[in-house]
Amino acid sequence: DTGVSQDPRHKITKRGQNVTFRCDPISEHNRLYWYRQTLGQGPEFLTYFQNEAQLEKSRLLSDRFSAERPKGSFSTLEIQRTEQGDSAMYLCASSFRGTHLRGYEKLFFGSGTQLSVL
Amino acid sequence: TQLLEQSPQFLSIQEGENLTVYCNSSSVFSSLQWYRQEPGEGPVLLVTVVTGGEVKKLKRLTFQFGDARKDSSLHITAAQPGDTGLYLCAGVLYQGAQKLVFGQGTRLTINP
Repeated sequence: DTGVSQDPRHKITKRGQNVTFRCDPISEHNRLYWYRQTLGQGPEFLTYFQNEAQLEKSRLLSDRFSAERPKGSFSTLEIQRTEQGDSAMYLCASSFRGTHLRGYEKLFFGSGTQLSVL
Repeated sequence: TQLLEQSPQFLSIQEGENLTVYCNSSSVFSSLQWYRQEPGEGPVLLVTVVTGGEVKKLKRLTFQFGDARKDSSLHITAAQPGDTGLYLCAGVLYQGAQKLVFGQGTRLTINP
């Protein structure tokens, strides 16, 4: 088990360009989350998947953002027409949610992709 | 407006001292977690508290969930330089909620 893997670790782009990030979760995990963290703040929820279904999206996720998890394994987060305000650390996390109801689950975070929009 | 307010935001103390970090809200949480994050890395879960008044210990770290499940604290005894990092509290608003709400974090520096 190599943990949650994110690629690339760093991305520098010019305003207006499109960028795509990849997340490979822990293999048996059925849930995958995307969070965004700006300097001096805690992570903010963007979206999550259960298997291949995207079940919730934050209002933070404008129409320039799209996320996919085509086969219920890896996920991609694409940002179109990047803006300077998109500069942040983009964190992916995965977890296993069983059939029983629980008040919490253990999230495993990747190391993140640091995006800088110039 | 931050749903979970952490205080202090920055704390720098000498090795061997004790400290307490607070996580407060006006909302009731189903459960609350504490994470530690190193620079350039993702957060790592330290503990989850679920029951009001619950206390959990992890070596020199003591976590408490408030009776009303609106607040939590992290107490570190005899802090060591290895405790340096960003400490984040994160809550689940209700059972079945799918996302964590994070506080803004407390950046802790332990000086040798």
